[in-house]
Amino acid sequence: AQTVTQSQPEMSVQEAETVTLSCTYDTSENNYYLFWYKQPPSRQMILVIRQEAYKQQNATENRFSVNFQKAAKSFSLKISDSQLGDTAMYFCAFMKDFGNEKLTFGTGTRLTIIP
Amino acid sequence: DVKVTQSSRYLVKRTGEKVFLECVQDMDHENMFWYRQDPGLGLRLIYFSYDVKMKEKGDIPEGYSVSREKKERFSLILESASTNQTSMYLCASSLRSPGLAGGEQYFGPGTRLTVT
Repeated sequence: AQTVTQSQPEMSVQEAETVTLSCTYDTSENNYYLFWYKQPPSRQMILVIRQEAYKQQNATENRFSVNFQKAAKSFSLKISDSQLGDTAMYFCAFMKDFGNEKLTFGTGTRLTIIP
Repeated sequence: DVKVTQSSRYLVKRTGEKVFLECVQDMDHENMFWYRQDPGLGLRLIYFSYDVKMKEKGDIPEGYSVSREKKERFSLILESASTNQTSMYLCASSLRSPGLAGGEQYFGPGTRLTVT
């Protein structure tokens, strides 16, 4: 069974700074997908960024980027130029492959952006 | 935009009651999921359905059952609610095939259930 570990329950950072959220996972699979989801206070969970394990290039979406280290089974999220709207719970998630689209989630990191 | 809706945002039930949580998605997604979210535990999968009338147990199915009679609707049933089922319940849906959508799950707003 896969496991996903987020070792930082809470983080805070000043507005406009850069912050990195950590995620490690354990799997024996070679092909899989990794995700970061964001859950703002009292709002719906949304996808932030996605990484396919077979792609060596790290995914980026505007101010959000990942550092994917397949051998180390590490998948960290970097948020550049942080904004107040980035305040949220962030969940790292693992999916084995298509045909089995269940997600395994980490325990989450509560990120607060300080004005 | 994909919309996933859940029947209630807040629900208060008594121990022993039968509870129905409803979820509806409007994007013709094959997969639907029920999770419960608890502080410090993240999201844990209760049940998963990949087609009408098809279901698979997740990590914590005990005390729950599900029903999927139509593609757009996925119901979670607590046969006899207990206080340890007090939690936030999230429904999600996704496409079954790979491609641009790439396994992304779309979530509903959640139902905060309190069992007293």
